[in-house]
Amino acid sequence: DAKTTQPTSMDCAEGRAANLPCNHSTISGNEYVYWYRQIHSQGPQYIIHGLKNNETNEMASLIITEDRKSSTLILPHATLRDTAVYYCIGPSSGTYKYIFGTGTRLKVLA
Amino acid sequence: NAGVTQTPKFRILKIGQSMTLQCTQDMNHNYMYWYRQDPGMGLKLIYYSVGAGITDKGEVPNGYNVSRSTTEDFPLRLELAAPSQTSVYFCASSYSGQGATNEQFFGPGTRLTVL
Repeated sequence: DAKTTQPTSMDCAEGRAANLPCNHSTISGNEYVYWYRQIHSQGPQYIIHGLKNNETNEMASLIITEDRKSSTLILPHATLRDTAVYYCIGPSSGTYKYIFGTGTRLKVLA
Repeated sequence: NAGVTQTPKFRILKIGQSMTLQCTQDMNHNYMYWYRQDPGMGLKLIYYSVGAGITDKGEVPNGYNVSRSTTEDFPLRLELAAPSQTSVYFCASSYSGQGATNEQFFGPGTRLTVL
């Protein structure tokens, strides 16, 4: 199963870029990496996913290393509303089941 | 689209009682999932379904049952509630098919307390 490792917590100043790293060295070559966030106790919210190439959408950018062992989620201009727990998720090998870790608690400071 | 809806939002049970947590999705997704989240922890998969009539166990299935008679609904049953089942329960759905990337969409959760 794909196991991910993330820092427990991070702080970021409002308006600055927040860079959240994730190690997923056990992910298979054809498995996506997904990023979600959870604000307070709400349901997790999908942010972005990627396979090999870097990806960007209206919420964030995802940079995946060439060896696919790690990735970085970038929130280009963090706001107070981006304070949340961010999960980097790799699927259980050969299935679509997500394996959640404990995520990174990002606090955006005014 | 309402997305994934869950009822009830909150519930308090006594030990030994039973209840059903309801989950409905209107996105015509074939896959559905039930997770639980204990305080300060990530989500753990209880059961999942790849289509109507097909269910399978996740990481923590003990004490729960599911059924999937329609594409839209995926109820979770607790038969004999125990304090260890105090948690927040999330339902999710996704589409798996040609060209799909299987991102999951989550409901707002049900907060269950067993006393």
